[in-house]
Amino acid sequence: VQLMESGGDFIQPGGSLRLSCGASGFTVDYHFLIWVRQAPGKGLEWVAVISDIGHTSYVDSVRGRFTISRDNSENTLFLQMNNVRVEDTAIYYCAAGVAVPGGYDYWGQGTLVTVSS
Amino acid sequence: DVVLTQTPLSSPVTLGQPASISCRSSQSLLASDGNTYLSWLHQRPGQPPRLLIYRISYRVSGVPDRFSGSGAGTDFTLQVSRVQAEDVGVYYCMQFTHSPYTFGQGTKLEIK
Repeated sequence: VQLMESGGDFIQPGGSLRLSCGASGFTVDYHFLIWVRQAPGKGLEWVAVISDIGHTSYVDSVRGRFTISRDNSENTLFLQMNNVRVEDTAIYYCAAGVAVPGGYDYWGQGTLVTVSS
Repeated sequence: DVVLTQTPLSSPVTLGQPASISCRSSQSLLASDGNTYLSWLHQRPGQPPRLLIYRISYRVSGVPDRFSGSGAGTDFTLQVSRVQAEDVGVYYCMQFTHSPYTFGQGTKLEIK
């Protein structure tokens, strides 16, 4: 099982970016998947979740700006980030609950998003 | 939102000695399905987090048995029976009984 994020970049406030998380060793449509971020030198912050049946939920600070989705044919998780803010600067990790019931046991290496003017 | 408060925030430990980290929740983490979705993760510098313990006390395959989790309701503990050099880093508790999911602030484990 592997997760590999991509799409992180340097972007100006108000811009848009799409992060990808390619999965191998399991199929994304049967599992809960999350995005978690970590601002420089800070702790972990949950961003969004998509359930096995496609239900989504977001932390208040990104609701209405970010969209979590998945493409089963590409076996990939996405995070569409619109109207980004300086405070969205962070390493973004994707994670999946695959082999354990009630835990997120596989994590990607992360992709860095820097928002600055 | 559920607030998870970890103590201590820093824990200097002698090699081979035990360490204990507390995670206290602002509300019960017992879900309506009878499970408690409280996990412990470990993060080394420059690395992604790694799941150690899920549902309070279940150890992930490959995690050494010197790591154990306990607790119920609002009070949870991660114990390391004999700290090894590779155990340094930051430990986080995480809950996903309630939305939004939340993490504790992190506890930095270091060797004296």
